[in-house]
Amino acid sequence: GESVGLHLPTLSVQEGDNSIINCAYSNSASDYFIWYKQESGKGPQFIIDIRSNMDKRQGQRVTVLLNKTVKHLSLQIAATQPGDSAVYFCAESHSGNTPLVFGKGTRLSVIA
Amino acid sequence: GAGVSQSPSNKVTEKGKDVELRCDPISGHTALYWYRQSLGQGLEFLIYFQGNSAPDKSGLPSDRFSAERTGGSVSTLTIQRTQQEDSAVYLCASSFWTGSYEQYFGPGTRLTVT
Repeated sequence: GESVGLHLPTLSVQEGDNSIINCAYSNSASDYFIWYKQESGKGPQFIIDIRSNMDKRQGQRVTVLLNKTVKHLSLQIAATQPGDSAVYFCAESHSGNTPLVFGKGTRLSVIA
Repeated sequence: GAGVSQSPSNKVTEKGKDVELRCDPISGHTALYWYRQSLGQGLEFLIYFQGNSAPDKSGLPSDRFSAERTGGSVSTLTIQRTQQEDSAVYLCASSFWTGSYEQYFGPGTRLTVT
């Protein structure tokens, strides 16, 4: 599943720098949020998720921050690597195990 | 273990023809989802199956689209009388009903209607 988009927001970062990808969600009733990474020609791959009872969650090199007050989600990638180049999607759902509502995606390009 | 698989990986069809896209979810996953990813768009929900419950078809764009899930496992998405605007990547995902809400995606089927 290649993700392409003429109007896809793009973020370019130097290798080794930290990346921050932002996402605004629309449904104040959403209680589950997830970030996916999609490389060219592949389906979305899980990165990290967070439930609404938390405002921060950390994984390996990644951190997700949730601000329910302003309905904002961010993904932070530490020490960005060339392999991190991909399109990143945030998604939300209500009460889990329901269809995800996806954002448009952000294309991350890592400059070596 | 095996992930979600989809077939075919690519499908080119003429306008007006019917197509069938197949999804094999992860064994034991009770929930199965179909999404569509069009050029310049994010992923768009189409239909959702959960166990033996009636599927949620609220995302299907027209009555030319239908899907079934046999034996609670394999699913087929059928598009009748295809139109050029149906060209997209069709993605299938599956998840457990309880516990993790993570949806595991297949590689997708790229459909091109000429």
